[in-house]
Amino acid sequence: EDKVVQSPLSLVVHEGDTVTLNCSYEVTNFRSLLWYKQEKKAPTFLFMLTSSGIEKKSGRLSSILDKKELSSILNITATQTGDSAIYLCAVGSNSGYALNFGKGTSLLVTP
Amino acid sequence: DAGVIQSPRHEVTEMGQEVTLRCKPISGHDYLFWYRQTMMRGLELLIYFNNNVPIDDSGMPEDRFSAKMPNASFSTLKIQPSEPRDSAVYFCASRAPLFNTEAFFGQGTRLTVV
Repeated sequence: EDKVVQSPLSLVVHEGDTVTLNCSYEVTNFRSLLWYKQEKKAPTFLFMLTSSGIEKKSGRLSSILDKKELSSILNITATQTGDSAIYLCAVGSNSGYALNFGKGTSLLVTP
Repeated sequence: DAGVIQSPRHEVTEMGQEVTLRCKPISGHDYLFWYRQTMMRGLELLIYFNNNVPIDDSGMPEDRFSAKMPNASFSTLKIQPSEPRDSAVYFCASRAPLFNTEAFFGQGTRLTVV
């Protein structure tokens, strides 16, 4: 059975800190790994990673995939209170088109 | 496009009642997914459709749950009879028919069964 594990489950940091969120996976026929941010309601897409070692970047957020270690990290630098959210990692496989989600990391950024 | 549209946004019902959740995917998306989110289990896939055909319903918890997609722009998830343990946020998501694309989520329906 496919498995996606995120760590830590929750995190509290001060504004300005840098955080690293982790996602590890076991999946048959890996195709892609996606990161989503969930604030109040719908998860919104951040990044899709398919190749090892290639960093995706958007502003203060960046992510990279390590296919050898079956893992990915999401970095947020100079955190702001608006970064407070649940960050979800999901994996897609070539066996089907649904995404398998981890339980998420709940990030709280305090002023 | 208005995105994935779900209704209702909130539903409170009594145990034993039938509940119907509705979803309109993004136009042109041929994959539609129903997920359920709880604190304990996170986001779980219930069922997904491709071109209106159910492809994988192995996540549907039991026979009380059923889902249909009568056309490309509408899907329903029905729970009959509902139970308190069905209380959760139910999300619908859709994605385009391209190889590596993300899924877009609706705002969810928060279901409370009392």
